[in-house]
Amino acid sequence: QSVLTQPPSVSAAPGQKVTISCSGSSSNIWSSYVSWYQQLPGTAPKLLIYENNKRPSGIPDRFSGSKSGTSATLGITGLQTGDEADYYCAAWDDSLSARVFGGGTKLTVL
Amino acid sequence: QVQLQESGPGLVKPSGTLSLTCAVSGGSISSGNWWSWVRQSPGKGLEWIGEVYHSGSTSYNPSLKSRVTISVDKSKNQFSLNLRSVTAADTAVYYCGRVGTGWVAPWGQGTLVTVSS
Repeated sequence: QSVLTQPPSVSAAPGQKVTISCSGSSSNIWSSYVSWYQQLPGTAPKLLIYENNKRPSGIPDRFSGSKSGTSATLGITGLQTGDEADYYCAAWDDSLSARVFGGGTKLTVL
Repeated sequence: QVQLQESGPGLVKPSGTLSLTCAVSGGSISSGNWWSWVRQSPGKGLEWIGEVYHSGSTSYNPSLKSRVTISVDKSKNQFSLNLRSVTAADTAVYYCGRVGTGWVAPWGQGTLVTVSS
């Protein structure tokens, strides 16, 4: 069981919007920055969102991040078939003294 | 820009030691970042193994701490992972990455290590 909880899968039609949740606790999400990663099939993870809501250079503004209390959310608008991937959230856990990841969410663009 | 490349044996025998190296190019390993190892078992999610700073300071996943050593070689601009007493459960793609303020980027392409006799 992952320390951070994500839904196993989400789906939506092209052009639509989807959100992916990441639920944690006071020792991780509440007290540290959340980052999000996109992993396309057969490739390494890629940083999408850092410090809760910032986008690295080159990441389109269709991707957004937010955090409230012990939960974080990744939003993707204007869905494209190329967005089909696994998405992971991550944070530092003060109690474990460890970097923790969510179990991952598979996005299907129908 | 910084790039990372993992290297090492793709096959390790049970009870042996898994040894991987991550070469850093386009930047210095003494840049002030931590450097991380993350693994992904087939069909599973990401698991943090640990991190190292250029000073040699380390932080490890508590579940792996007794078997893991991560070290840095500043002269070669690389860092390494040693995982002892491996079993089939350690079969995974192993990634290295640069750590920032709560983020990991970029990541290496990953290397598959299979534990089998």
